[in-house]
Amino acid sequence: KAGVTQTPRYLIKTRGQQVTLSCSPISGHRSVSWYQQTPGQGLQFLFEYFSETQRNKGNFPGRFSGRQFSNSRSEMNVSTLELGDSALYLCASSLVVVAGVTDEQFFGPGTRLTVL
Amino acid sequence: QKEVEQDPGPLSVPEGAIVSLNCTYSNSAFQYFMWYRQYSRKGPELLMYTYSSGNKEDGRFTAQVDKSSKYISLFIRDSQPSDSATYLCAMSSSRLTFGEGTQLTVNP
Repeated sequence: KAGVTQTPRYLIKTRGQQVTLSCSPISGHRSVSWYQQTPGQGLQFLFEYFSETQRNKGNFPGRFSGRQFSNSRSEMNVSTLELGDSALYLCASSLVVVAGVTDEQFFGPGTRLTVL
Repeated sequence: QKEVEQDPGPLSVPEGAIVSLNCTYSNSAFQYFMWYRQYSRKGPELLMYTYSSGNKEDGRFTAQVDKSSKYISLFIRDSQPSDSATYLCAMSSSRLTFGEGTQLTVNP
């Protein structure tokens, strides 16, 4: 079974631009979560989608947004990029959310975003 | 105070050593406990997953959960240079919360 895939793997943008990252979950997985990983802050939760609905959101500004499609693929968008948005953006998929508790998550390789 | 505390290390051990990695947490709502391994420039890889207090063993890896003390551990027996990576503990209620990660180096 194929794992979680993310595209693109590397991206260089300049301040003020916007970016869209894509994630394809493991086949059959309906929950997709996004995380930002930086050396100083570690892995921080951005948001989670389940059946095309945002179920959870972390403490990030409104410049960060996402969506999920009917085939469970997900995209996240960052508008008006800032230097501090440089990070590894990770997508994780899980089979199901059980009674509001997140099931084990499987991560993709990430998209490394550099903002100049 | 962070919900999950993990010593970032770095931790350096000789090949064959027993490695102990630990996390403490403050949120009693956490129900599932995981350990991830992350190699440089890769996404985290799920190593262990448990939801009850006690020990869970998988090969050279043992995960230990003590809910009464809010403390989890990962033990690696007969450590190998290929175990050199960052180890992240993670806990979930409605979403996953990660520790900072411990950077481990196993020297040949």
